[in-house]
Amino acid sequence: EPEVTQTPSHQVTQMGQEVILRCVPISNHLYFYWYRQILGQKVEFLVSFYNNEISEKSEIFDDQFSVERPDGSNFTLKIRSTKLEDSAMYFCASTLQDRGLRGYTFGSGTRLTVV
Amino acid sequence: AQKITQTQPGMFVQEKEAVTLDCTYDTSDQSYGLFWYKQPSSGEMIFLIYQGSYDEQNATEGRYSLNFQKARKSANLVISASQLGDSAMYFCAMTLTGGFKTIFGAGTRLFVKA
Repeated sequence: EPEVTQTPSHQVTQMGQEVILRCVPISNHLYFYWYRQILGQKVEFLVSFYNNEISEKSEIFDDQFSVERPDGSNFTLKIRSTKLEDSAMYFCASTLQDRGLRGYTFGSGTRLTVV
Repeated sequence: AQKITQTQPGMFVQEKEAVTLDCTYDTSDQSYGLFWYKQPSSGEMIFLIYQGSYDEQNATEGRYSLNFQKARKSANLVISASQLGDSAMYFCAMTLTGGFKTIFGAGTRLFVKA
């Protein structure tokens, strides 16, 4: 079964450093998403991406965050200057045509720890 | 504003019994999708079941069924014949037809006892 691949599975970074989280969505999917889950809390929407541009973003997704689909297969989330409160599990997801209306395929997540 | 409420932080069920996990939602939109996701202790998010707001029949996927009561704005998950592997966190979620994001409830942790 096709899957969404995220790397790395765990990343530790120093506060103030830039970090790039990588995702390979399912190859024929058209909509891409990033969500995060702070430990023990609910899953929160960050951003959706379609047709090479952001289609929607949350208030969490401020100027410190950016997304990119650099080569037609990867989908990346960059955090420019990490803060302690950015420590969370980050999930990438993709869907085919229906903008998530019938459920996402999530990656297995990247656990980001900012120290 | 849209909201998902899961009032049961934790639930216990005996193996082989059925269990219902509660979910209520709030939206003024008429067109939306409702979902349940499972998150085992390993951390991944697994899609379980989907119900469209215009679907007249309750969704079923194997041992999972979604008890959709539109007038009450509830979308409870029923797991029949619980198994030890069902022990996990379960999230109810909603996506509006006009948007791109999915909002999640706080989750219910299910413990299945042998």
